Amino acid sequence: QKEVEQNSGPLSVPEGAIASLNCTYSDRVSQSFFWYRQYSGKSPELIMSIYSNGDKEDGRFTAQLNKASQYVSLLIRDSQPSDSATYLCAVMGYNQGGKLIFGQGTELSVKP
Amino acid sequence: EPEVTQTPSHQVTQMGQEVILRCVPISNHLYFYWYRQILGQKVEFLVSFYNNEISEKSEIFDDQFSVERPDGSNFTLKIRSTKLEDSAMYFCASSGPGLVPADEQFFGPGTRLTVL
Repeated sequence: QKEVEQNSGPLSVPEGAIASLNCTYSDRVSQSFFWYRQYSGKSPELIMSIYSNGDKEDGRFTAQLNKASQYVSLLIRDSQPSDSATYLCAVMGYNQGGKLIFGQGTELSVKP
Repeated sequence: EPEVTQTPSHQVTQMGQEVILRCVPISNHLYFYWYRQILGQKVEFLVSFYNNEISEKSEIFDDQFSVERPDGSNFTLKIRSTKLEDSAMYFCASSGPGLVPADEQFFGPGTRLTVL
């Protein structure tokens, strides 16, 4: 059973701090990795994709991928109260018709 | 900015009834997906669809489920005989227009299905 694991949280950080969200995956041939944000009662909203080892930055967000360790992370710099949401890690395997396997999500709370 | 749309936003049905959930993917996308999320649980993949046929389906997607692209814009999920455990939020997503489904998937707002 291919799994994606995340700490469910809640992760609480003060406004302006760096939030660090982590994800591990079990399928070594996974090829594409995504971070989504989901506000309560809403649909997943794509934040970032990452496909190769290393860091990828987009504004206040940095995704990090380490395929050898089967580990993906998301850093949110200068966290804002509006960043409070559940962050979903999603992994796409090889030749699986685009199937995304989601983790259970990490709830982030940014305190003013 | 183009977006995925879904109708209805909320559907209430009696157990055993058929429901059709509708989606309009982003217009130049080629890959279409249905996911569901039972309250408090993970988002789960149901099915992917490309070139008018199913590319991949999960164990959840049994004979009670079917998908169709009846015209150039709509993508539907039909549940033939609903069960109580089908109650969930159903999300449609689309990706493309690349030739492989590795592109980013964009989700619609969802249809909340309640089976009584």
